[in-house]
Amino acid sequence: QLVVTQSPSVSASLGASVKLTCTLSSGHSSYAIAWHQQQPEKGPRYLMKVNSDGSHSKGDGIPDRFSGSSSGAERYLIISSLQSEDEADYYCQTWGTGFWVFGGGTKLTVL
Amino acid sequence: EVQLVESGGGLVQPGGSLRLSCAGSGFTFSSYGMNWVRQAPGKGLEWVSYISGSSSTIYYADSVKGRFTISRDNAANSLYLQMNSLRAEDTAVYYCARVLYCSSSGCSSFWGQGTLVSVSS
Repeated sequence: QLVVTQSPSVSASLGASVKLTCTLSSGHSSYAIAWHQQQPEKGPRYLMKVNSDGSHSKGDGIPDRFSGSSSGAERYLIISSLQSEDEADYYCQTWGTGFWVFGGGTKLTVL
Repeated sequence: EVQLVESGGGLVQPGGSLRLSCAGSGFTFSSYGMNWVRQAPGKGLEWVSYISGSSSTIYYADSVKGRFTISRDNAANSLYLQMNSLRAEDTAVYYCARVLYCSSSGCSSFWGQGTLVSVSS
């Protein structure tokens, strides 16, 4: 069964870097994923697609501070030079034929 | 600029019906598959349904199969979700979202701002 797993929460200091992890279920390590950001009281926003080879493709207007990478079944979202507006929920998403699968989300707190 | 605007949410009694709409603009609506995704209060995102650009392919999550119907009108650049036999657990913000599309110039996906459906007596 296709599942993606995320840590529930992470915190980091203003100006620091943080790495969020999304883990694909066994047998699905070749799947690409997408990262979405949801700021408080707003709809989600597409950030980037991350492929199994670590290449990533960001949406229009996504700052260079956001990047992606991969290792095995793990897909990462790296945010550098953290700003207060980065405090949000981040969702990992993958897909099968005709359906989407979401991780439970990671709440990022900027200290 | 791509925009997706949902409407039609509201308060409905258990067992009732509601029809959600999503108006798309800023892109060739008929060329893209579309999804409905929902988010219960304080919870994460849950995929609900998918429809292809031509409406030839439709999928539903098991939780809504047989109760919800997705459709689209490409002439009106609109996506719909007919929700019948509503239950308390259907209470959520409902988002429409365009499928992820990748070309040589990059990838994109878009979300609406959501519409709240509350099922309660």
